[in-house]
Amino acid sequence: DVKVTQSSRYLVKRTGEKVFLECVQDMDHENMFWYRQDPGLGLRLIYFSYDVKMKEKGDIPEGYSVSREKKERFSLILESASTNQTSMYLCASSFLRQSDTQYFGPGTRLTVL
Amino acid sequence: DQQVKQNSPSLSVQEGRISILNCDYTNSMFDYFLWYKKYPAEGPTFLISISSIKDKNEDGRFTVFLNKSAKHLSLHIVPSQPGDSAVYFCAASEGPGNTPLVFGKGTRLSVIA
Repeated sequence: DVKVTQSSRYLVKRTGEKVFLECVQDMDHENMFWYRQDPGLGLRLIYFSYDVKMKEKGDIPEGYSVSREKKERFSLILESASTNQTSMYLCASSFLRQSDTQYFGPGTRLTVL
Repeated sequence: DQQVKQNSPSLSVQEGRISILNCDYTNSMFDYFLWYKKYPAEGPTFLISISSIKDKNEDGRFTVFLNKSAKHLSLHIVPSQPGDSAVYFCAASEGPGNTPLVFGKGTRLSVIA
C-alpha cells in the first residue's frame, strides 16, 4: 500500500513565523506535489518536483518555497506566514510517467493567526 | 482562467438512485481525465480515469463518460450509497506523463438514506 504521510494534521502559527510542512512517501515515487485546498477554489498546485533537488512552480507559488533533498521527502516552506495562507495543505506523489494517478497524504490544516 | 469546471458545487441524491456529476474543460490538449474522491479530513483518493481514445470506462458502480466534441465528462454512480457522500474532483492532464493535473473545484455529493 502506498503511504504518503504529512508531519502534522493541525498546525497553528502566528503571522510572520517561518513554517515547515513535511511530506514523506514510501513508494519510491519520482514526482511529488504540494497543493492547497480552499472552499470554493478546489485544489491548487503550489509547487511540484520530479526529481531530487528539482522543483517547478505550480499555479500559486507566491509566498512559498520547497525543498527536495531526498527522493522520499518534499518540504513546503512558508518563509513568513500570513493570514491568507490559512488553508488545508495536501501533499501527493506519483510515478514519473503516471503523474495523473497521484497518491495524497491526509493533509495539514494550517491556521495563521 | 479555469480550464476544468465543475459547475455544481453540491448534489443531493436518494440512496439507490443514480448520481451524475458533471465536468467541462476548455483545453483541447487534455487527453486524460480522472475523478478523485475526498472525505473530510482525508486526502483525495483516485477513483476512475478515462483516456481520450475512449468514450466510456466502467469500474463496478462507477462509470465515466467522455464527450470530446463537447469537452464534457460525467461520472455516474449507480446505485448511490450513503458511503459515497464526499467531495468529487474532476481532473485533467495532457497525457499520463510528467505534466501536472488540473483540478476542478469539486462537487459535494450527499447521498440521503
